[in-house]
Amino acid sequence: QVQLQESGPGLVKPSETLSLTCTVSGGSISSDNYYWGWIRQPPGKGLEWIGHMRYSGRTYYNPSLKRRVSIFLDTSKREVSLKLSSVTVADTAVYYCTRHVDTAMVDAFDIWGLGTLVTVSS
Amino acid sequence: QSVLIQPPSASGTPGQRVTMSCSGSSSNIGSNTVNWYQQLPGTAPKLLICRSNKRPSGVPDRFSGSKSGTSASLAISGLQSEDEADYFCSSWDDSLTGWVFGGGTKLTVL
Repeated sequence: QVQLQESGPGLVKPSETLSLTCTVSGGSISSDNYYWGWIRQPPGKGLEWIGHMRYSGRTYYNPSLKRRVSIFLDTSKREVSLKLSSVTVADTAVYYCTRHVDTAMVDAFDIWGLGTLVTVSS
Repeated sequence: QSVLIQPPSASGTPGQRVTMSCSGSSSNIGSNTVNWYQQLPGTAPKLLICRSNKRPSGVPDRFSGSKSGTSASLAISGLQSEDEADYFCSSWDDSLTGWVFGGGTKLTVL
């Protein structure tokens, strides 16, 4: 069964770039039924979609973050990466790696990683 | 301020049926299906209901979803203590070209 594991620095300084990696195990990353990407949750708050990317290259980003965010898929390493530039304290959150599946039965984020807390502080 | 509006809290006693709402607009719920996620304390969210009223494999039939117009609802029957969690609704928004979430409803089992 597919599992997602996030990794990366837990502390980032303001104005720097946040970089996270998600390793996908137990299943194919190359199907066009799947999008791979990120959702975040500030402490004690709700969920915010960041963006997702399909194997074929189709990418969707949250318009409010679009100027600062990039998502990459490395199929050889089975990794999904996130880069968020010019971070501020408002970017402090738990970052979840997620799979989005789009079929006749399901159009949702069906698999989530455990999440990793990233704190933006000097 | 979240795009989808959910009441911040709900409560019920064991065995009771509770419902929680999710209100949107014509560009999201009015045009697309709704998903519901359950987040137990200290854990990642889990898909509970997809395409407004379908349960993924392994989700008990105590959980059900519905949609009407620009609103959606999640119902939990036979409430159990382990249902105490945060519940988030989500939908695709055609105007924003992205996924939007509600602020979440915290369910307390009394």
